[in-house]
Amino acid sequence: DTEVTQTPKHLVMGMTNKKSLKCEQHMGHRAMYWYKQKAKKPPELMFVYSYEKLSINESVPSRFSPECPNSSLLNLHLHALQPEDSALYLCASSQVGGLASTDTQYFGPGTRLTVL
Amino acid sequence: AQKVTQAQTEISVVEKEDVTLDCVYETRDTTYYLFWYKQPPSGELVFLIRRNSFDEQNEISGRYSWNFQKSTSSFNFTITASQVVDSAVYFCALSERLFGNEKLTFGTGTRLTIIP
Repeated sequence: DTEVTQTPKHLVMGMTNKKSLKCEQHMGHRAMYWYKQKAKKPPELMFVYSYEKLSINESVPSRFSPECPNSSLLNLHLHALQPEDSALYLCASSQVGGLASTDTQYFGPGTRLTVL
Repeated sequence: AQKVTQAQTEISVVEKEDVTLDCVYETRDTTYYLFWYKQPPSGELVFLIRRNSFDEQNEISGRYSWNFQKSTSSFNFTITASQVVDSAVYFCALSERLFGNEKLTFGTGTRLTIIP
């Protein structure tokens, strides 16, 4: 079952709020990803976790704080966001590939975030 | 650096027509993977196909077919007898290995509209 779930589906927050996005997968994948997608643009990678450890941080501002409590869960904590952070936030998961292989990333439905 | 070009920003065709979406990529890697994803209005990125650089066989899945030509660095996607449900944004992507993890480089996407 290739399913990644994300909650909430929609989130509206003020610039002083603290909120969290949640992502869950039960496919036994050991890599999880956060992407940000602005309207009419492709997804942009933010963070990669591999075996519950942060592997890639694509120079994301500190107002975005990822957390991987276990192999099935990935959170993105939001604090003091700006209106330009409004976007679709997508979570994905995959197996961790070997040196000569890769594994498909499966995406969740996303959280549409609006920052007022 | 990796690059994926989808020159067609928007395409509209009448239902039941065939349509081809173009994808051209650049990479210095000898081993790489190419992907196509579909993004309907709901927002979720749906995996369609993965192809590795050593497998140049074309693939057909129902109404979908893919033509991979290493000589021209292209990985084109054809929908035969298009249907309204095919309306979506389609992304071509190229993987690269970064710090032991896979990073996807997406093209800018092609918005396909099927007119009933």
